Amino acid sequence: DAMVIQNPRYQVTQFGKPVTLSCSQTLNHNVMYWYQQKSSQAPKLLFHYYDKDFNNEADTPDNFQSRRPNTSFCFLDIRSPGLGDAAMYLCATSRDTGGGGAPYFGPGTRLLVL
Amino acid sequence: RKEVEQDPGPFNVPEGATVAFNCTYSNSASQSFFWYRQDCRKEPKLLMSVYSSGNEDGRFTAQLNRASQYISLLIRDSKLSDSATYLCVVNDEGYSTLTFGKGTMLLVSP
Repeated sequence: DAMVIQNPRYQVTQFGKPVTLSCSQTLNHNVMYWYQQKSSQAPKLLFHYYDKDFNNEADTPDNFQSRRPNTSFCFLDIRSPGLGDAAMYLCATSRDTGGGGAPYFGPGTRLLVL
Repeated sequence: RKEVEQDPGPFNVPEGATVAFNCTYSNSASQSFFWYRQDCRKEPKLLMSVYSSGNEDGRFTAQLNRASQYISLLIRDSKLSDSATYLCVVNDEGYSTLTFGKGTMLLVSP
């Protein structure tokens, strides 16, 4: 089945220790998103790629970076995780942006910062 | 960024009940609307898109009211498995991505 895969599902890191979360998709979608979701809050968009074009949200901290080496893969790098970065990180894909197809979400990576 | 507002609930209903949620959006130029379902500690899953004419999928009916700038989700004959948080999602014209509401929690009891 076509799907969005995230690894790992759970990640524990230490305060300040860099961490990378990965996402892959078999849907061949143009757009890949990274969202951060904290308890009882809406998913918050960090950035997205339309093909190779990177689009950063204005309020995304510099501590968060992303790479998309090819259509199928996208990575979220947290350079120096703080306690406030503990959250669920959701990768999503869509055929197009805006109304051009609803995003499909991966299962998420739950990040714990000690 | 424009706002999407939902009553956080929880809505507590017995099995078999009919329940409706509303979601208001502030940008009158919004173009696309979706309802997602999110179970506890899981990812959001697309429940249905919302079309101008309204649409139905089994026990679920979605409506769009552009004049009053809200969308609604009606669930008939509620099942225990319908217990979840329902997220309203809106595309704002001029933005390339979607805005999520904070969700409405539904609890269906036996």
